[in-house]
Amino acid sequence: AQKITQTQPGMFVQEKEAVTLDCTYDTSDQSYGLFWYKQPSSGEMIFLIYQGSYDEQNATEGRYSLNFQKARKSANLVISASQLGDSAMYFCAMRAYNQGGKLIFGQGTELSVKP
Amino acid sequence: DSGVTQTPKHLITATGQRVTLRCSPRSGDLSVYWYQQSLDQGLQFLIQYYNGEERAKGNILERFSAQQFPDLHSELNLSSLELGDSALYFCASSFGTGESNQPQHFGDGTRLSIL
Repeated sequence: AQKITQTQPGMFVQEKEAVTLDCTYDTSDQSYGLFWYKQPSSGEMIFLIYQGSYDEQNATEGRYSLNFQKARKSANLVISASQLGDSAMYFCAMRAYNQGGKLIFGQGTELSVKP
Repeated sequence: DSGVTQTPKHLITATGQRVTLRCSPRSGDLSVYWYQQSLDQGLQFLIQYYNGEERAKGNILERFSAQQFPDLHSELNLSSLELGDSALYFCASSFGTGESNQPQHFGDGTRLSIL
């Protein structure tokens, strides 16, 4: 069975500093995709970044980068130069390519950015 | 704005009742996904439709049903409602079948409260 584990229920970071949100996954599939989503207090789910299992380079999108370590089955999200608006819940998700578009989500990490 | 429209934003009803949640996908997207977010279960995949056909099924209760219409909008029907059905219901959409690197874009959700 596939599973996503986010071990940090809550984290604090100082404004302008970098922060790493942990995500480990479990799957027997060789082909899969990993996603990070942000959920502000207003409730919407915002797509941040994607990493494919065969991608050799770590994905980057602006201030977001994904530290992908396939052998360790980890896909940590790195947010550089944190901003107050980054305060939100962050979810790691996985999609297995043989299961349609089903996304499996972790329990989330609540990030609080301090001024 | 993700381009995915969900109505209504809030719904309050009583146990035993039936409700219909509506979703309009982003222009051009053929897949629609439904997810349930609750405090105890987290984010759970319910069902996916692709161009009118059911594509993937998750832990969707028999009391729940969904369909995708020719204009690609989708409806999620919840019947014989129980207190435990109180949750935030998300619709998401993507262009393809979901078996690629294309992200799913989420609507703002419908918050369902059962009294």
